[in-house]
Amino acid sequence: EAQVTQNPRYLITVTGKKLTVTCSQNMNHEYMSWYRQDPGLGLRQIYYSMNVEVTDKGDVPEGYKVSRKEKRNFPLILESPSPNQTSLYFCASSTYTDTQYFGPGTRLTVL
Amino acid sequence: GENVEQHPSTLSVQEGDSAVIKCTYSDSASNYFPWYKQELGKRPQLIIDIRSNVGEKKDQRIAVTLNKTAKHFSLHITETQPEDSAVYFCAASPNSNYQLIWGAGTKLIIKP
Repeated sequence: EAQVTQNPRYLITVTGKKLTVTCSQNMNHEYMSWYRQDPGLGLRQIYYSMNVEVTDKGDVPEGYKVSRKEKRNFPLILESPSPNQTSLYFCASSTYTDTQYFGPGTRLTVL
Repeated sequence: GENVEQHPSTLSVQEGDSAVIKCTYSDSASNYFPWYKQELGKRPQLIIDIRSNVGEKKDQRIAVTLNKTAKHFSLHITETQPEDSAVYFCAASPNSNYQLIWGAGTKLIIKP
């Protein structure tokens, strides 16, 4: 089944404790992206990747890191999480035809 | 860069009536315009899209129209049903880097 998976789905952590949210797709998509969604603010792009080893900042990259060592994986790293990073996070992937498929989301709470 | 504005932010319609959501974009080079539906607690999912070489596209009760001259596109839902209640997002792709630039979303409420 074609899909985008994210783990974990829910995470409660404390300020400053490094964490990684994984994203994987099995559709051989070149393009992958991370978004955060906060009430009233829609979808805001954090980072995106056009292919292996090619990443670039989106609209709200501060406090986040990404890597794209393999085509199927695009992990999101929070080196030192803060409470303002409490949010719902979505990973998405697409081919260059632009239809983006979203993962199920990761709800992160930073205390 | 591209900017997408979406209106209204909330739309309440009677079940069975039609709903229209409008988006405007700024970059005339944008050539791909998808619409996504996000039900409460779920991921956004594509419901319909249109490319710049087409003026209108329809899929059962859903249609999208594109006016390239005015740089706006609209989502039309006819014969609305309770399951149409959701948040709808429009987006535009300038295609320079395959990004999607998103509208802020419209919360559609279907009143019984």
